[in-house]
Amino acid sequence: NAGVTQTPKFQVLKTGQSMTLQCAQDMNHNSMYWYRQDPGMGLRLIYYSASEGTTDKGEVPNGYNVSRLNKREFSLRLESAAPSQTSVYFCASSKRLGQLALHFGNGTRLTVT
Amino acid sequence: GDSVTQMEGPVTLSEEAFLTINCTYTATGYPSLFWYVQYPGEGLQLLLKATKADDKGSNKGFEATYRKETTSFHLEKGSVQVSDSAVYFCALIPSNTGNQFYFGTGTSLTVIP
Repeated sequence: NAGVTQTPKFQVLKTGQSMTLQCAQDMNHNSMYWYRQDPGMGLRLIYYSASEGTTDKGEVPNGYNVSRLNKREFSLRLESAAPSQTSVYFCASSKRLGQLALHFGNGTRLTVT
Repeated sequence: GDSVTQMEGPVTLSEEAFLTINCTYTATGYPSLFWYVQYPGEGLQLLLKATKADDKGSNKGFEATYRKETTSFHLEKGSVQVSDSAVYFCALIPSNTGNQFYFGTGTSLTVIP
């Protein structure tokens, strides 16, 4: 019963490097989300995908791109990492947009030096 | 805009003590309100929810009542256990858009034996 799986769990990047965070869900959910969690800021929405084939910006999209590869997978890409992107990243999914419960992965802790 | 404000932490309690974590919100209309819990090293999990005024959400001994008149959704538990040590997040979905969660900054709770 995997739920939402994120990889990697930890990553260290140098400024300017790129990487992709992977997320997959096995609950047949239509909607998927990427959040970042920073001390004193709570969770902030980066991008979301209401359904396969669609993506939309959230509250803090600058510096990120996303791909909804298929119904199961939703990736987050940092093209040129900056220290301000040091954070814990969470992927989440829900049956549909606005569904009253989000299911979260265990997070990716990213450090940009 | 829509937002959630919750009490600053960290909170440290002895086992069997009474817990209150305050949460107030700003939103137009009638948002749905939630408490999520994050255990160490894990993603957030839905703890309880309420979708209309005067509703009481409850789960695992935790309760919260949706108070429209005070725009509050305070989390309470009568007798905390060591296993309740976690970070607690208050959140809302606006009634008009319904497509984005707004999270509070989180309150860290430590329960000591």
